[in-house]
Amino acid sequence: DVKVTQSSRYLVKRTGEKVFLECVQDMDHENMFWYRQDPGLGLRLIYFSYDVKMKEKGDIPEGYSVSREKKERFSLILESASTNQTSMYLCASSRDNQDTQYFGPGTRLTVL
Amino acid sequence: GESVGLHLPTLSVQEGDNSIINCAYSNSASDYFIWYKQESGKGPQFIIDIRSNMDKRQGQRVTVLLNKTVKHLSLQIAATQPGDSAVYFCAENRRNTDKLIFGTGTRLQVFP
Repeated sequence: DVKVTQSSRYLVKRTGEKVFLECVQDMDHENMFWYRQDPGLGLRLIYFSYDVKMKEKGDIPEGYSVSREKKERFSLILESASTNQTSMYLCASSRDNQDTQYFGPGTRLTVL
Repeated sequence: GESVGLHLPTLSVQEGDNSIINCAYSNSASDYFIWYKQESGKGPQFIIDIRSNMDKRQGQRVTVLLNKTVKHLSLQIAATQPGDSAVYFCAENRRNTDKLIFGTGTRLQVFP
């Protein structure tokens, strides 16, 4: 079975803090994705990556950056957290394009 | 529990009945479709997928139907159980793109 893990289930940070969300997949998938999920807005793509050290902007990249130094790990970085970044963050991976994305359990981030 | 979406369409069914959840997609260039299940506080879980060269695909207690003429997708759950209670949403992958487009979801409530 595909397993995607995220470093924290719940996280509380203060405005202005730098926040790291970590995601690891164990299936040697090429593609990895970061989404945020908000009530009424569904899943929105922040960033994705095709391969190590490669990244592409999604639909809402502002205020975020990512890092993919190893194939199995994809990190989402909030350089200076703001209250409007309070959300559920979901990581996903897929073998390649046109393939199913498998999701992690999510990180509920609250920025105070 | 945490809500993944407010004011979602809701389908209420009695335990043991069959459920049908519908999804309309907008882009005729989409050629791959996925159904996900999301329980409260968890990440989306893959249920079943279908490619555009098929009209129907069956899994364990689930069937997905694809009608390309009217751009409609449905998920049928046989003998619905309390554990099926969740938000269900479809996703479409447009040909030659890397991104999934997600629907906003339908909440399925199962009553004893």
